Amino acid sequence: DSGVTQTPKHLITATGQRVTLRCSPRSGDLSVYWYQQSLDQGLQFLIQYYNGEERAKGNILERFSAQQFPDLHSELNLSSLELGDSALYFCASSVGGGGRPQETQYFGPGTRLLVL
Amino acid sequence: GESVGLHLPTLSVQEGDNSIINCAYSNSASDYFIWYKQESGKGPQFIIDIRSNMDKRQGQRVTVLLNKTVKHLSLQIAATQPGDSAVYFCAENGDDYKLSFGAGTTVTVRA
Repeated sequence: DSGVTQTPKHLITATGQRVTLRCSPRSGDLSVYWYQQSLDQGLQFLIQYYNGEERAKGNILERFSAQQFPDLHSELNLSSLELGDSALYFCASSVGGGGRPQETQYFGPGTRLLVL
Repeated sequence: GESVGLHLPTLSVQEGDNSIINCAYSNSASDYFIWYKQESGKGPQFIIDIRSNMDKRQGQRVTVLLNKTVKHLSLQIAATQPGDSAVYFCAENGDDYKLSFGAGTTVTVRA
């Protein structure tokens, strides 16, 4: 158990809908990272938040957004869902978040999203 | 663009044998590398990391070797067990604020 929690574990929805994925980082960690993992691709970095502020953006679609709250939990919002958004979504956390990472990111168990 | 990659997508190994998983990276600015293990239905699990000022680092049954000259990283698993069956990813910190992950190697342990 990494100490990172994610809810829900599974999510089934229809195209055009909007969903929210939730992540609680390890105690003491200030950074939260979101990744997407689809069958034909590895882990794709989406976005990072550090202590409530957006720190880095990766391959995140405009239909997707995220935020980190004062208690450091984070939510990833996916809207206007398409079939191709079906994937595993992972959250990771780390203590710091500056510059090039020099520390381990610990991953949660993921949310499996299926868009029908 | 620069990326992290693994030499082989799959590796089949006999239980009890040693496993070697390889990873090539191309970003010379990378100075921190991590190996993750991902079992089916689970999130990536940290195995071991290494910084560029080291050539070798050992953990419990695992060793990571870093060859900066040829930009090569490997993970050695001693006495491979059925529980080692998983997908293994290497990651590098070549770009600011994020880790870049390779495509992964699927390790299957034969009884």
